[in-house]
Amino acid sequence: GESVGLHLPTLSVQEGDNSIINCAYSNSASDYFIWYKQESGKGPQFIIDIRSNMDKRQGQRVTVLLNKTVKHLSLQIAATQPGDSAVYFCAENIQSGTGNQFYFGTGTSLTVIP
Amino acid sequence: GAGVSQSPSNKVTEKGKDVELRCDPISGHTALYWYRQSLGQGLEFLIYFQGNSAPDKSGLPSDRFSAERTGGSVSTLTIQRTQQEDSAVYLCASSLGPQVSVFGQGTRLTVV
Repeated sequence: GESVGLHLPTLSVQEGDNSIINCAYSNSASDYFIWYKQESGKGPQFIIDIRSNMDKRQGQRVTVLLNKTVKHLSLQIAATQPGDSAVYFCAENIQSGTGNQFYFGTGTSLTVIP
Repeated sequence: GAGVSQSPSNKVTEKGKDVELRCDPISGHTALYWYRQSLGQGLEFLIYFQGNSAPDKSGLPSDRFSAERTGGSVSTLTIQRTQQEDSAVYLCASSLGPQVSVFGQGTRLTVV
């Protein structure tokens, strides 16, 4: 899973298996969370988001789970495919008097083994 | 525009030279962010603009780095006296309020 640090954590899964990528956030005032996917040579692309009043949200093959008690976010990818190989980032949004600010996790590099 | 546009897409510069990177956010997006991504590493926050003001400059690594935003739109990130450790992909993102940030494709900076 993601952690504070300079080097990307890595996760390798077999094609067809489910993947779980974890993210810990630090600010209990965060009210909105996003998962991004970044393929090699491209900018991060939105995958799925969740608001703090929810604990689960499902998309196509992806599910995001939010545990506010322990400030933990996870991304589950069902039936992982080679095209899912990428770096995945979580981001937390905090609203303050100066506006919105997004804070990103370090990222997790997912490799899908055919 | 339809997305966040960054230019140039690639920049090779000699050590010691100044470079200027440009970001055109999505029209109407009030928030703009600059990040840096070194090879094999995560996103490093540099600076955040809300309108033309920068409430958070805490990520700028040194006084060689500066950024400005004019008209609540285009932003430029300037790196003076570039060093080899400045080599990275510089990503810009914009958002409208508490919504998804949309990223540009980045500028790959190589300092030789």
